[in-house]
This record gives sequence, structure tokens and C-alpha cells, in this order.
Amino acid sequence: DADVTQTPRNRITKTGKRIMLECSQTKGHDRMYWYRQDPGLGLRLIYYSFDVKDINKGEISDGYSVSRQAQAKFSLSLESAIPNQTALYFCATSDMGSAFFGQGTRLTVV
Amino acid sequence: GESVGLHLPTLSVQEGDNSIINCAYSNSASDYFIWYKQESGKGPQFIIDIRSNMDKRQGQRVTVLLNKTVKHLSLQIAATQPGDSAVYFCAERISNDYKLSFGAGTTVTVRA
Repeated sequence: DADVTQTPRNRITKTGKRIMLECSQTKGHDRMYWYRQDPGLGLRLIYYSFDVKDINKGEISDGYSVSRQAQAKFSLSLESAIPNQTALYFCATSDMGSAFFGQGTRLTVV
Repeated sequence: GESVGLHLPTLSVQEGDNSIINCAYSNSASDYFIWYKQESGKGPQFIIDIRSNMDKRQGQRVTVLLNKTVKHLSLQIAATQPGDSAVYFCAERISNDYKLSFGAGTTVTVRA
């Protein structure tokens, strides 16, 4: 089983709909992150959490919200999806070293 | 094939040759650097890391070089293989702030 699991892997949704992307990890890490990947732009940080009671905005948090339900679970929500949120979304976890990524969620907003 | 001193979005390499992928990082306070490999349809995977108190670190077929003076990081892949075809990202971090900042990535294509 993967250390960092994202669900769903693919999703198509309509403009204005609310959608939640889920992430769970078995690595026991306190730190969890949500990144967005667009072609030619690398990975950009949306939100991050250093423990269950800690939530921080990243560089592109507008239009997104998160919830850290437990040490192992970190979900990303789009309250009202818009087409320019079409992208590949990655969850990651880390300890004192490098980050470990999930397989990604490909989200298309039509 | 190699690109030295200049970040290129794409790199085409003959199988068996050595590859050099470059990255310029932005924050002089960054003290930890990582190279990731991302294959099609997958998440980024850790390749090798280096801390700012080092100039060079070697792994299996890979070497990372760090030049703090010009804020430059490079990844060398020896005897490039078809399985090395992927997008390679560098990432930087300040130790007291665990956010990783990523470069735009270099797409490496290995020619048979």
C-alpha cells in the first residue's frame, strides 16, 4: 500500500460545485501539504499543516480551504469550483527531511 | 548531452551519456535542497538531497552539486538509461520553515 494515498485519482466537476480531495498517510509524519501542479509552473503550495491544530496558507490559497481531521488525514476543499482550478493536485507529508508525495488527483472543472 | 550553468525546460540525452540538469534557487537563506523525479502519471519521487554545509553528495548513479555563491544546484546522472526519462524538479527549504519551494522542472528525454 502507498504511504500517501489520495482520493479520488481523477475527478470531473462542474463550475460552482463544491468538491473535496482527500489525503491519508501511514508515515506517521506531523507535517502535511497540498500542492497544485500546472504545466510549466512546477508545484505551488496551497496550504500546509504542521500538526492537527495548525493550518497555514501557502502561496495560492485563494479559493481553497483545508481540514486536518487527524494526524494522518488532510483534506482540500474547493468551495465553488472554477475552470482555472483545473490542475493536478498533490498531497505530501514530511518529517525533518524531504517530502513524500501521493500519486496525485487530476481535477477538471468544466 | 548536458546543460551547464543554464536552466533549460527540456533536455534530450543519448542513452549511455551523462546528463546534467541545472537549477537556480531563489532564497539565499535556504539550507536544504532536494531533487525529485516525476514520471508520467505519478507523484514526485525523492532522488537525492543535500544540506548547505556540503558542496557535493553522491548517490547511486546520481550526484548533486551545490554552489551557494551563485545559488545554483545541479543533478548529474551517470550513464543515462531510458528509465531516467521524466521531469526533474529541484526544491529548496529553510530548516526552520518546512515548506518546500519548487523550480519549474526539466523534462529529460533519453534517446535510444
